[in-house]
Amino acid sequence: DAGITQSPRHKVTETGTPVTLRCHQTENHRYMYWYRQDPGHGLRLIHYSYGVKDTDKGEVSDGYSVSRSKTEDFLLTLESATSSQTSVYFCAISDPGVGETQYFGPGTRLLVL
Amino acid sequence: GQSLEQPSEVTAVEGAIVQINCTYQTSGFYGLSWYQQHDGGAPTFLSYNALDGLEETGRFSSFLSRSDSYGYLLLQELQMKDSASYFCAWMDSSYKLIFGSGTRLLVRP
Repeated sequence: DAGITQSPRHKVTETGTPVTLRCHQTENHRYMYWYRQDPGHGLRLIHYSYGVKDTDKGEVSDGYSVSRSKTEDFLLTLESATSSQTSVYFCAISDPGVGETQYFGPGTRLLVL
Repeated sequence: GQSLEQPSEVTAVEGAIVQINCTYQTSGFYGLSWYQQHDGGAPTFLSYNALDGLEETGRFSSFLSRSDSYGYLLLQELQMKDSASYFCAWMDSSYKLIFGSGTRLLVRP
């Protein structure tokens, strides 16, 4: 198994509160991704990173920001959580040239009340 | 626009063979991946087709036809543990994966 963890695993928060989710890897993979998964939808890409301080937006990036100051950590921040951001969030990692093979973390279940 | 279409649900009997289809409309297509996800779990990589043809990995095979914008995942000798959701995903020119909305496979005894 790829060494990839997410914290917290579960979180309940209130609308308007800032929330930060952490993804940590021990595999030294260069590429990292944040997805959200909702019923009836596949995984939708929020943001991704091709290296330290190198990030870009995915298809559903509004309301989210990311930071990557170290290879092993990729942080996802909801600046002001809304109920529409209630979801399961997955982090994934991959290496250049094999982007089709992504290893996923266990996920974080976020409930915004 | 860009889209991936796959059936929402498929039911099959233990020991049988099942095929999960995926059709796509994309630009900058690099290949088609398949992922498995059990309820409450994380997606796990199954296979990838960059070229036309069949790729076999044990009981699972995946097929791609670029000319038909079509691929499928074939599961043989179905087992109860194969009950899960299966996602096709295409890789774009920026090495990002775009996922379909998934096919829920139910294997019955």
